[in-house]
Amino acid sequence: SQELEQSPQSLIVQEGKNLTINCTSSKTLYGLYWYKQKYGEGLIFLMMLQKGGEEKSHEKITAKLDEKKQQSSLHITASQPSHAGIYLCGAAYYGGSQGNLIFGKGTKLSVKP
Amino acid sequence: DSGVTQTPKHLITATGQRVTLRCSPRSGDLSVYWYQQSLDQGLQFLIQYYNGEERAKGNILERFSAQQFPDLHSELNLSSLELGDSALYFCASSAPLGTGYGYTFGSGTRLTVV
Repeated sequence: SQELEQSPQSLIVQEGKNLTINCTSSKTLYGLYWYKQKYGEGLIFLMMLQKGGEEKSHEKITAKLDEKKQQSSLHITASQPSHAGIYLCGAAYYGGSQGNLIFGKGTKLSVKP
Repeated sequence: DSGVTQTPKHLITATGQRVTLRCSPRSGDLSVYWYQQSLDQGLQFLIQYYNGEERAKGNILERFSAQQFPDLHSELNLSSLELGDSALYFCASSAPLGTGYGYTFGSGTRLTVV
């Protein structure tokens, strides 16, 4: 089974609507990272969360970390066509001073004008 | 520009051939990670180097190898290429934990094996 599950797999929203993407880990998280990727391009770093209950915002994107559930949610307010792309969560786990990130399968977001 | 440089951007080669992908990490980052992204497998971790030494291995095939040089740039060597090796290959580098910069990815090398 996948260590990191993202949901939904894809999402189509009308411009201006809010949306939430979830990322759930089957193991205890050391850190949780959110990235955005345009098809076929590189990953753009959005936010990193490390502490339970931590919440960070960047423009209209907010991410939270629920330590008890080992889950993070990414919320976009008043979506715009520029938000379209693939959102990936990456998890760092305990077991090394700085290990590799394990990624979820991604959520493909389309925003209809 | 993320600060992580990958070359070449595109590579088309025939089955059975060998190619080398190059990565220059962001200035000051000691760790380099290689990932493979394909449509069916998603983003898969291949290998990590830290200051010239191999630190962790993921789903890397025996036909693949990597190294990190004293100037911290890294190369990923792919040999006896098969059609299934066609994918996007990403390099990432990271700053020490706590600096808040996360893992920075390059723009990738798209490998097509024909």
